[in-house]
Amino acid sequence: KAGVTQTPRYLIKTRGQQVTLSCSPISGHRSVSWYQQTPGQGLQFLFEYFSETQRNKGNFPGRFSGRQFSNSRSEMNVSTLELGDSALYLCASSLTSGVDTGELFFGEGSRLTVL
Amino acid sequence: QKEVEQDPGPLSVPEGAIVSLNCTYSNSAFQYFMWYRQYSRKGPELLMYTYSSGNKEDGRFTAQVDKSSKYISLFIRDSQPSDSATYLCAMRNSGYSTLTFGKGTMLLVSP
Repeated sequence: KAGVTQTPRYLIKTRGQQVTLSCSPISGHRSVSWYQQTPGQGLQFLFEYFSETQRNKGNFPGRFSGRQFSNSRSEMNVSTLELGDSALYLCASSLTSGVDTGELFFGEGSRLTVL
Repeated sequence: QKEVEQDPGPLSVPEGAIVSLNCTYSNSAFQYFMWYRQYSRKGPELLMYTYSSGNKEDGRFTAQVDKSSKYISLFIRDSQPSDSATYLCAMRNSGYSTLTFGKGTMLLVSP
């Protein structure tokens, strides 16, 4: 059974540019969450999507956005990149959302460097 | 005070040692507790998943949750060099999928 797939794995952007990251969840999983991981702050929750609807959002500026498609694949977008956006962006999938969420499985992440 | 506190380490032990990793938390609403292992430049890998208080064992790994003390532990028996990684505790409320993570403890097991 394939795991969570994230693309691209590595990318370099310059300040002011925008970036789109993609996540394909485990087959059958309908919930996708995104987390940002930095050495200083650790893993911080960005947002969660379930059945193409945003269920929850973390404390990040509006430059961070996402969406989920009918096949449960998800994308996140960061506009007007800042140096502080350099991080490992992790996608996690679970069967469902809310009370019956169960286990969350993470992908390998997309490592973004902003110059 | 952060919601989840975890000693960053590094924790260095010889091969074969018993390792104890711990987290404390402040939010009494947390009901589900997890331990993830993360190798360098990789995503977190789920090791243990527990609900409420008690113990759970899986091979060389044992997870303990003490909700009265707001304290969780992961024990690794007969530690191996391949166990060298960062160990992250994570937890969530019953009604939400959102995980709150500790910052992780780096473990180094020397041959």
